[in-house]
Amino acid sequence: AQSVAQPEDQVNVAEGNPLTVKCTYSVSGNPYLFWYVQYPNRGLQFLLKYITGDNLVKGSYGFEAEFNKSQTSFHLKKPSALVSDSALYFCAVRSMTTDSWGKFQFGAGTQVVVTP
Amino acid sequence: NAGVTQTPKFRILKIGQSMTLQCTQDMNHNYMYWYRQDPGMGLKLIYYSVGAGITDKGEVPNGYNVSRSTTEDFPLRLELAAPSQTSVYFCASSYGQAKSQPQHFGDGTRLSIL
Repeated sequence: AQSVAQPEDQVNVAEGNPLTVKCTYSVSGNPYLFWYVQYPNRGLQFLLKYITGDNLVKGSYGFEAEFNKSQTSFHLKKPSALVSDSALYFCAVRSMTTDSWGKFQFGAGTQVVVTP
Repeated sequence: NAGVTQTPKFRILKIGQSMTLQCTQDMNHNYMYWYRQDPGMGLKLIYYSVGAGITDKGEVPNGYNVSRSTTEDFPLRLELAAPSQTSVYFCASSYGQAKSQPQHFGDGTRLSIL
């Protein structure tokens, strides 16, 4: 069975400081990993994904994520946070090999609050 | 390119009423999904479809029904609304043959059952 854990309900950071949102996963076989962002009253928007290859993935709006196979983690990072980055962030996993139709498993979400 | 469009955006129902949440996508995606989002609970999969004429249950299908007569449309039906179905409902689509492709989401329908 697939599972995703986002251990922090909320992350608070001052504008200009580095931002990290944590995600760990469990999946049979190799994973596809995704990060999404949700702004108030909007749907989830795709930020970035890990498929294979380089463990550091770069995405939209200056975000990047680091895949660590040994720690089964896929943490989202941004070197310098903006107030406009305040939103709800979701990590998701999809198995490459099992579950033939390709179910996405989402974490519970982490609220990011960036203060001026 | 509109992407995934959901209607209505907001709705208030009385207990026992029925309604259909509409979802349409213009990306020719074969996979479509319905989720509900409750505070602090992430997304729960209600139903999904891998193509026209093919649907299957997700994690929380009770009280809902779906149909998929075309590639573009995937409506969600609530037959007897209950307070427990108060939630935000999201429709999503993806290009199913490539598991590396992300889902695309609509902006949701906010539903209150009173």
